Amino acid sequence: SYVLTQPPSVSVAPGETATITCAGDNIGGKSVHWYRQRPGQAPVVVVHADSDRPSGIPERLAGSNSGHTATLTISRVEAGDEADYYCQVWDHSADHVLFGGGTKLTVL
Amino acid sequence: VQLLESGGGLVQPGGSLRLSCEGFGFTFSYYAMTWVRQAPGKGLEWVSAISGDTTTTYSPDSVKGRFTISRDNSKSTLFLQMNSLRADDTAIYYCARGTYAFLDHGNFFDSWGQGTLVTVSS
Repeated sequence: SYVLTQPPSVSVAPGETATITCAGDNIGGKSVHWYRQRPGQAPVVVVHADSDRPSGIPERLAGSNSGHTATLTISRVEAGDEADYYCQVWDHSADHVLFGGGTKLTVL
Repeated sequence: VQLLESGGGLVQPGGSLRLSCEGFGFTFSYYAMTWVRQAPGKGLEWVSAISGDTTTTYSPDSVKGRFTISRDNSKSTLFLQMNSLRADDTAIYYCARGTYAFLDHGNFFDSWGQGTLVTVSS
């Protein structure tokens, strides 16, 4: 079965750039969506279809996808970016929704 | 757009529970819907999904045969019937709306409820 692998944690200082990866076999051929979940809140989509942002999501959040790794890059990190981030794809071979294990972003 | 879950609570192992999710502010039948759960301190786990016209359902092996997803478009309500509950089903259960009526690679979940807590314990 298809597996999405994310690093459990990423730490970055305010103003720096955070890079959160999502690894999967030939994930570049899939459409990857990213969700942010702040403590005690429901998830919110921040990037869809690899690199599109919903209205209201700042340009500082950018997605890319190629080969075996999709990436969410957060530039000029702020305290409010501290949250758990999840990647998600549709596994067409099994007709399943798949989430990555999640990455906790800590702003130092 | 608003999604409001209900039906969570404390249930004994082996018991059953039915969750509901009512949608407001959109034409319910136009959108696929899904249930996603989150065990305490853990990540998101997809539970089930259903197409907008109710004809197609999807679920992972972990719940197949125990959980049944359904919807009543006339009442803008999504359901999750959970049977043979186990301790590892303890989680917050979220309903979420897809971006169109069927599930495929392009569909993602653009609106989420606040979740309902299911606790399976004796």
